[in-house]
Amino acid sequence: QVQLQESGAGLVKPSETLSLTCTVSGGSISSYYFSWIRQPAGKGLEWIGRIYSSGSATYNPSLRSRVTMSIDTSKNRLSLKVRSVTAADTAVYYCAKTEPSLSAFDIWGQGTMVTVSS
Amino acid sequence: SYELSQPPSVSVSPGRTATITCSGDKLGDRYACWYQQKPGQSPVLLIYQDSKRPSGIPERFSGSNSGNTATLTISGTQAMDEADYYCHTWDGSAEVVFGGGTKLTVL
Repeated sequence: QVQLQESGAGLVKPSETLSLTCTVSGGSISSYYFSWIRQPAGKGLEWIGRIYSSGSATYNPSLRSRVTMSIDTSKNRLSLKVRSVTAADTAVYYCAKTEPSLSAFDIWGQGTMVTVSS
Repeated sequence: SYELSQPPSVSVSPGRTATITCSGDKLGDRYACWYQQKPGQSPVLLIYQDSKRPSGIPERFSGSNSGNTATLTISGTQAMDEADYYCHTWDGSAEVVFGGGTKLTVL
């Protein structure tokens, strides 16, 4: 069973870059799509973007100018960078796996809280 | 951009049937999924491809999708089903769209 574990800095200063990593265990990173999804406290889910094992990425248009995703298949890790953060980027960040045959997010990480504050 | 609408809250008595809707333009032409999220936990996939349940999901959870509305039905609702529920689909550009979420209260 594939498991996902997010990690990264929990506190980021305004205007700086948020950096997170999602480590995939229990299976290969190949042949799956992985998404980053965030959730501000008390609010709904917001999709940030998706990356395939080939490195091809698709981003939410509302965040595209500030987001970069990458994948390291040799280390079974994916990463997320969000530039020029503001308080509005404060949220729990999840990575989630898409099983292509399900067209759904079948596995989620436990999430990591990121606070943007000086 | 494509949007999904859910009622902010739904209440149900224990043992009764809860119905949570998710509306979007011609949503029935797309696959809809449903996730359950309990406080402090990650979302869990409940329903995929409109009506299919992953292994381990109780049979009391069912889904349908037709016209402009996808529906999550919880039969014989239990106290443990109290949670937030989110619908999800993919827009024409294969981008992800979530509904705003519905808080289910069992009382």
